[in-house]
Amino acid sequence: GENVEQHPSTLSVQEGDSAVIKCTYSDSASNYFPWYKQELGKGPQLIIDIRSNVGEKKDQRIAVTLNKTAKHFSLHITETQPEDSAVYFCAASAGGTSYGKLTFGQGTILTVHP
Amino acid sequence: EAQVTQNPRYLITVTGKKLTVTCSQNMNHEYMSWYRQDPGLGLRQIYYSMNVEVTDKGDVPEGYKVSRKEKRNFPLILESPSPNQTSLYFCASSLPGHREAFFGQGTRLTVV
Repeated sequence: GENVEQHPSTLSVQEGDSAVIKCTYSDSASNYFPWYKQELGKGPQLIIDIRSNVGEKKDQRIAVTLNKTAKHFSLHITETQPEDSAVYFCAASAGGTSYGKLTFGQGTILTVHP
Repeated sequence: EAQVTQNPRYLITVTGKKLTVTCSQNMNHEYMSWYRQDPGLGLRQIYYSMNVEVTDKGDVPEGYKVSRKEKRNFPLILESPSPNQTSLYFCASSLPGHREAFFGQGTRLTVV
């Protein structure tokens, strides 16, 4: 089955700096890669996703890049703000019999210091 | 408001006492899942359901049961809870395929 590794487990930055979180996956059949943000006491929420036919996607201060050859994808947050502090999860999903099943990484605790 | 509702939010129970965590969604989603979240391990899928009466094991199904008798509801049943099932549990729903998964608020379960 799919295995997703996420690094780093914790990340501390100053407000205004950039933050980068990286994930690798094992199943070459995976073709959908979402990122979720989990705020304290809440369930995860989708912030951005990318499909395998695209190498990069941006949404304001957030961007995701995908390298299918190397089987890794990354989340980039620019101009970080204190409200970006949360736990971030990457995930991967394949088609076929696994259609719709998400395999998550271990999570990254991001702290943005004012 | 579109949402996934879990109950209870917090539960402390004793080893061996059967319990059920309920999950309900109002978005008419076909796909529903249960996850457990443990420090350093991320979210791991317990069971999933692709539609009414269609359920299957996820990555960590031992000690859990589910049922899907109605499209909106997907309860998680622990027949004989053990301390290693102490965890934070999330229910999620989505449309079929690669679509956004909507998560509930979570249920923090402690088994003593």
